[in-house]
Amino acid sequence: DIQMTQSPASLSASLGETVSIECLASEDIYNNLAWYQQKPGKSPQLLIYYASSLQDGVPSRFSGSGSGTQYSLKINSLESEDAATYFCLQDSEYPYTFGAGTKLELK
Amino acid sequence: EVQLQQSGAELGKPGTSVKLSCKVSGYNIRNTYMHWVNQRPGKGLEWIGRIDPANGNTIYAEKFKSKATLTADTSSNTAYMQLSQLKSDDTAIYFCAIEWFAYWGQGTLVTVSS
Repeated sequence: DIQMTQSPASLSASLGETVSIECLASEDIYNNLAWYQQKPGKSPQLLIYYASSLQDGVPSRFSGSGSGTQYSLKINSLESEDAATYFCLQDSEYPYTFGAGTKLELK
Repeated sequence: EVQLQQSGAELGKPGTSVKLSCKVSGYNIRNTYMHWVNQRPGKGLEWIGRIDPANGNTIYAEKFKSKATLTADTSSNTAYMQLSQLKSDDTAIYFCAIEWFAYWGQGTLVTVSS
């Protein structure tokens, strides 16, 4: 199975700051990487698919990049509504696997 | 508008089974894969498996091969997941999702307790 190592596990940032979250795959996943945002008690929401494509309706302050085994999610100009947990998902091969999540707290 | 409506919370006793449903509106499930994911209390997401409703073909994560059974009824545009031989470790929220996880159900809480 492909292991997804996500970091950091948590981070705290201020409004207006820029943060990055990383996912490292145990093997090449050929950009088959998606990012999700989940708020407490809610279902995950797709932010980015195929490593860097922005899902319709997602603010442009979210962006994804990477290739091979290394991928990142960047959030520019943090807003209060961005406080959430973020997960990556590799859908390159079965079984699909998620990163462990990054909890973003706003100061 | 695409919506996935999951069945209500379940309380199951150890050793029994439960069957969850996920009814889709606004999208024909024949044209997509239905995925199931769980989330244990305070934990991350775990992919269980997927079904191709058009032909019933399924793929499971190894640890769920004897735990979960995925089915689909295209006439009602509904997918199902049966969880068998319930243990306390199966206590989790179970989500269905389609279209490369662009659309998710609201989740069904399964609690296993005697």
